[in-house]
Amino acid sequence: AQKITQTQPGMFVQEKEAVTLDCTYDTSDQSYGLFWYKQPSSGEMIFLIYQGSYDEQNATEGRYSLNFQKARKSANLVISASQLGDSAMYFCAMREGISNFGNEKLTFGTGTRLTIIP
Amino acid sequence: KAGVTQTPRYLIKTRGQQVTLSCSPISGHRSVSWYQQTPGQGLQFLFEYFSETQRNKGNFPGRFSGRQFSNSRSEMNVSTLELGDSALYLCASSFPPGRGGGAETQYFGPGTRLLVL
Repeated sequence: AQKITQTQPGMFVQEKEAVTLDCTYDTSDQSYGLFWYKQPSSGEMIFLIYQGSYDEQNATEGRYSLNFQKARKSANLVISASQLGDSAMYFCAMREGISNFGNEKLTFGTGTRLTIIP
Repeated sequence: KAGVTQTPRYLIKTRGQQVTLSCSPISGHRSVSWYQQTPGQGLQFLFEYFSETQRNKGNFPGRFSGRQFSNSRSEMNVSTLELGDSALYLCASSFPPGRGGGAETQYFGPGTRLLVL
């Protein structure tokens, strides 16, 4: 079974609109972390936002927020007021067993290609 | 602080050759992880090093190996290259353990694009 599922291969959004990128995950661990990364065409993975499984508040970082629904095992990324520079691939990733020091492995989804239209 | 650096950025090799890729983590970071990204398989974890020890390994053949030096710089080596090894190889560094026992963010380098002919 896929541990991270991103069901939207591509999305087109008008500039200045908000956009939600979907991510669902599968784990039996109680202690895990969820990450979102942005990958422009240059290839570098840029960290956007992090949510820990025990965090009670949804994470926010500037225009990025994470809609964390633990019971549904979903961690959707919301980008407010989209900009042309937001056009990129977006990856959701999970690290399991984070209470165990020594597990740095990230499992990635297949990504969503976001295109912002002027 | 300087980010994660990877050298070389681009590489062309032929089948059967071997290749060594280098990664310098963010200053103070002690963990280095490697990932392979291909259009078909997506992003896959190769291995992770901490304090010169390999702690985790992904599901890759033994042709893929790595090491970490005392200054936390890491190298990965691929021997007997195959066409399917053509990929973007990404290195990430972090400073575990994480905040209050939680996950620590991994910061990625620009990657090395390897083309095997």
